Amino acid sequence: QVHLVQSGAEVKRPGASVMVSCEASGYTFISYYMHWVRQAPGQGLEWVGVVNPSDGTRNYAQNFQGRVTMSRDTSTRTVYMELSSLKSDDTAVYYCTLEYSRSSFDYWGQGTLVTVSS
Amino acid sequence: QSALTQPASVSGSPGQSITISCTGTSSDVGSYNLVSWYQHHPGKAPKLMIYEGSKRPSGVSNRFSGSKSGNTASLTISGLQAEDEADYYCCSFAGSATYVFGTGTEVTVL
Repeated sequence: QVHLVQSGAEVKRPGASVMVSCEASGYTFISYYMHWVRQAPGQGLEWVGVVNPSDGTRNYAQNFQGRVTMSRDTSTRTVYMELSSLKSDDTAVYYCTLEYSRSSFDYWGQGTLVTVSS
Repeated sequence: QSALTQPASVSGSPGQSITISCTGTSSDVGSYNLVSWYQHHPGKAPKLMIYEGSKRPSGVSNRFSGSKSGNTASLTISGLQAEDEADYYCCSFAGSATYVFGTGTEVTVL
C-alpha cells in the first residue's frame, strides 16, 4: 500500500530556509505527481505546488513563486520542498500528498510542523 | 488565485442530510469537472472523500455524494453520523497545473 513518510518538525528563524522531505513507497514513484499543501494555525488548506517525479518539472502557487523549490531523488524515492526567506506566517503544517486519481490528492503524508519564530 | 467560498459551518442532527457548497469562478470550478472534497479531523491528515466532482474512492461511504452546477460544487452527507463531525474542504483544478482549495466548512453533528 502507499505510504508517504515526512521528515520531522522544524523550528527556524525569520529569514532562514527550511527543507521538508517526503519518502514514498508502495507504488511506481515516477508515475504520479506529488503535491505540497499547508495549513497554518486556525487557517484552511493551501496548495503550495507540484513536482513531477518522472522529469522533475514543477509548478508553484503564485503566492510562493520565488521562495519555494520542489525537487525529487528517484534513487531514494524522496520528494523535497524547500521554502526560503521564512516569515512568521509561514508557520504551518506542511503535507506532501500524492495525485493518484486524476487531479485529486489520494494519499497524504503525516504532516511536518514548521515553526518560524525569533 | 482566490480561495473557493464555502460556508464557515454547517450543522445537522444524526440521520439528517446536509449539503456544503463550494463556489468558485468560471476559471476553476466552472471550467473543469475536477473538484475534489476532503474530510479533515484536527491533528490528522486530510482524507479524500470525492474526486472528479462525484466519484467516491474505494472505502468511502455512499452517504457522501458530490455534484456541480455552474461555478458551484456541492458535497452532500446523508444519514449524518457523529463520526462525520470534521472540517471539509473542496479543491478545484484551476488551469495551468494549479489548484485552489476552499475556505473550509466545519460540520457539527448536533
